[in-house]
Amino acid sequence: DTGVSQDPRHKITKRGQNVTFRCDPISEHNRLYWYRQTLGQGPEFLTYFQNEAQLEKSRLLSDRFSAERPKGSFSTLEIQRTEQGDSAMYLCASIQGWRSTDTQYFGPGTRLTVL
Amino acid sequence: AQSVTQLDSQVPVFEEAPVELRCNYSSSVSVYLFWYVQYPNQGLQLLLKYLSGSTLVKGINGFEAEFNKSQTSFHLRKPSVHISDTAEYFCAVSREYGNKLVFGAGTILRVKS
Repeated sequence: DTGVSQDPRHKITKRGQNVTFRCDPISEHNRLYWYRQTLGQGPEFLTYFQNEAQLEKSRLLSDRFSAERPKGSFSTLEIQRTEQGDSAMYLCASIQGWRSTDTQYFGPGTRLTVL
Repeated sequence: AQSVTQLDSQVPVFEEAPVELRCNYSSSVSVYLFWYVQYPNQGLQLLLKYLSGSTLVKGINGFEAEFNKSQTSFHLRKPSVHISDTAEYFCAVSREYGNKLVFGAGTILRVKS
């Protein structure tokens, strides 16, 4: 257990529905990252926050995806009008420091299945 | 932009045998290199990282990796594996400000008794 928690761990939804995932980083970690991992692939970067500011978004993050980190603590990732191609594991990670050499600590992930 | 290639999708090995998991990266600038392990139904755990200095990096659980700049490689090794090492291993690079990681596709290590 790294101290990063994600909820729910599993989500099954029907195509077209909206889903929201939550990530609670390690306390006082100022940077938070979201990644997506599809079957047989490594995680791919989606977006990251420095405190409450969303500093970068990947081109993978279509306009159906939105992420927030109010007050610089927990973060939510919402997917609107889900598609079968959204089925994946969504991973959250956090870092305490500001240096690019700091270690990212990953949560257990939320596995999304879109039927 | 950086990219990572893990040359083997699966590596079967007998218990107590040595193992090497291969990783090559592509980048026009200096990078930081990482190996993560993912056990079933768990998140990624850092095994080791290369930032600078000695090219031989030692990590947890008896793993080590060697950075080879001329070969642009960062292969992971363990002299004697255990059943409990069965997991998926990911090589990753980072360089840009913000520390986003670029991962390889992963190598599944299957340790057999």
